[in-house]
Amino acid sequence: DQQVKQNSPSLSVQEGRISILNCDYTNSMFDYFLWYKKYPAEGPTFLISISSIKDKNEDGRFTVFLNKSAKHLSLHIVPSQPGDSAVYFCAAIGTGSARQLTFGSGTQLTVLP
Amino acid sequence: ETGVTQSPTHLIKTRGQQVTLRCSSQSGHNTVSWYQQALGQGPQFIFQYYREEENGRGNFPPRFSGLQFPNYSSELNVNALELDDSALYLCASSSDSLYGYTFGSGTRLTVV
Repeated sequence: DQQVKQNSPSLSVQEGRISILNCDYTNSMFDYFLWYKKYPAEGPTFLISISSIKDKNEDGRFTVFLNKSAKHLSLHIVPSQPGDSAVYFCAAIGTGSARQLTFGSGTQLTVLP
Repeated sequence: ETGVTQSPTHLIKTRGQQVTLRCSSQSGHNTVSWYQQALGQGPQFIFQYYREEENGRGNFPPRFSGLQFPNYSSELNVNALELDDSALYLCASSSDSLYGYTFGSGTRLTVV
């Protein structure tokens, strides 16, 4: 039972264009959402987050949109750069005592020069 | 400020053996969580330790156990290793402030 889903295993985008990564969730008890970036042989690094009371959060080139009614969030990267090539994980936090992260399966983003 | 360090980086074990993985948390962080990332999947929550007590557990059998020490470093122990335990094991530390998880680079465990 996957509570957080990333249905696109891979995405290729031209440098300078917009990258849009999508994520769907099923658990309505999730109240905080995060995006992590992972390079090979490194641990995931935090990118951007959004609380369930908001519908948009922006940080430089990165913007996360949340549509609670659709249980859908997306990460927009504008403009995309070759250094953005990595695996991107969507994660959610629910109301468990540990406030643990529930991850999607990831999307490999490749930004072509 | 040091980050999260994990050791060893790679490990090969035989089915049925036991393994211990280690994690040093980031300075100032008192909470450690462990995650298992199988190939092609996202990390899955194993358990969390807060001030030396288990503070939550995911859907993993009891042969997965852990410890947290007074300096907030942590160990993950896996008994009776199975082939499906082959994965990248990630440690993440955080402080009382929410959501500030810092991940280590992981230990790649291969069970043969």
